[in-house]
Amino acid sequence: GEDVEQSLFLSVREGDSSVINCTYTDSSSTYLYWYKQEPGAGLQLLTYIFSNMDMKQDQRLTVLLNKKDKHLSLRIADTQTGDSAIYFCAVSTTSGTYKYIFGTGTRLKVLA
Amino acid sequence: NAGVTQTPKFRILKIGQSMTLQCTQDMNHNYMYWYRQDPGMGLKLIYYSVGAGITDKGEVPNGYNVSRSTTEDFPLRLELAAPSQTSVYFCASTRGTGEAFFGQGTRLTVV
Repeated sequence: GEDVEQSLFLSVREGDSSVINCTYTDSSSTYLYWYKQEPGAGLQLLTYIFSNMDMKQDQRLTVLLNKKDKHLSLRIADTQTGDSAIYFCAVSTTSGTYKYIFGTGTRLKVLA
Repeated sequence: NAGVTQTPKFRILKIGQSMTLQCTQDMNHNYMYWYRQDPGMGLKLIYYSVGAGITDKGEVPNGYNVSRSTTEDFPLRLELAAPSQTSVYFCASTRGTGEAFFGQGTRLTVV
């Protein structure tokens, strides 16, 4: 079945850039998302990209998609302590089932 | 606009007890999902539904049941609670693709 993998932890210093990576297996994935989860809360959508795009920029966030390698990344510029959270990659398809599959999540810790 | 509402927020169950986790959404979304999130882990899909009367198994359906009699409601039933079902449960809804809207979660402990 579909699988979405992420590294579990990332630690960066305040002001540096963070890069969170994700790989997925389903080549029919149409939409790819990044969600943020703060402690004790549900998930909130940060940004998303269509599978026919290579890059999307949204203020401090840059999403890069390499369809050939099935690799998605999220870059956060000028990382702040408020960015400390768990970041989830997710994929969905329009190929009938509309399953919405999440990765394992990457816990980002920003050091002051 | 309430979005996705889950109840209860917290629950402690004894082994073998049953309970229903409630989920309702007011966005007229056809697609609804139940996930569980174990401590320090990602989200695992339990069941999902693409519309009223239609449900299907996700990655970890054993020990759970669902129903979808209306577009708004998607309850998750635990029949015989086991310690392995201790987790945080999230309900979500979407139009199909696009943003998934999540409830605040139900923290369940089975002792």
